[in-house]
Amino acid sequence: EAGVTQFPSHSVIEKGQTVTLRCDPISGHDNLYWYRRVMGKEIKFLLHFVKESKQDESGMPNNRFLAERTGGTYSTLKVQPAELEDSGVYFCASSPAHGYGYTFGSGTRLTVV
Amino acid sequence: AQKITQTQPGMFVQEKEAVTLDCTYDTSDQSYGLFWYKQPSSGEMIFLIYQGSYDEQNATEGRYSLNFQKARKSANLVISASQLGDSAMYFCAMRGYSTLTFGKGTMLLVSP
Repeated sequence: EAGVTQFPSHSVIEKGQTVTLRCDPISGHDNLYWYRRVMGKEIKFLLHFVKESKQDESGMPNNRFLAERTGGTYSTLKVQPAELEDSGVYFCASSPAHGYGYTFGSGTRLTVV
Repeated sequence: AQKITQTQPGMFVQEKEAVTLDCTYDTSDQSYGLFWYKQPSSGEMIFLIYQGSYDEQNATEGRYSLNFQKARKSANLVISASQLGDSAMYFCAMRGYSTLTFGKGTMLLVSP
């Protein structure tokens, strides 16, 4: 089966611009998660979708971040406007409705200059 | 709240030797799961091994084993017969209700 796909793999944008990250989970996985790793720090949870609904968005840093999951399939994470501290690697993961298996994507490395 | 602590920022091991990466955790949940992931320089997060809090046997997956000591709240990863390709960042993580809490990671370097 295809894994979790994220794109772009890298993005360099200027402060104040908008960037949209995309995640395609494993087909049939109800759960979709976004995580972020800022340089030198732990990987932090951002939010969790169950199908198209936001189950938990307690990790979203502020209202410059907007996540959507249209139709319960792929998800986008938009940062608008981007700030320097948003730089890091953004990971997406998916898991089935039952079971513990998480599968991560390769991540998107975002650099805000 | 859940917390994962990895006290080793970096570890060095020679090829073919065994290495233990430390992980301690803190949680008030009775049911939880512990994961280890490998992140090579290419960036992807590769699942290595899982241990459920109620599992009586230590988990094993090929050269990876998890030394689970519940009373000490530790879940150390043991890699036997290290290979050059094992050089990577290793993350310990805990699953709560649904999300994962990660440690800061340990960078493992395997030398010939």
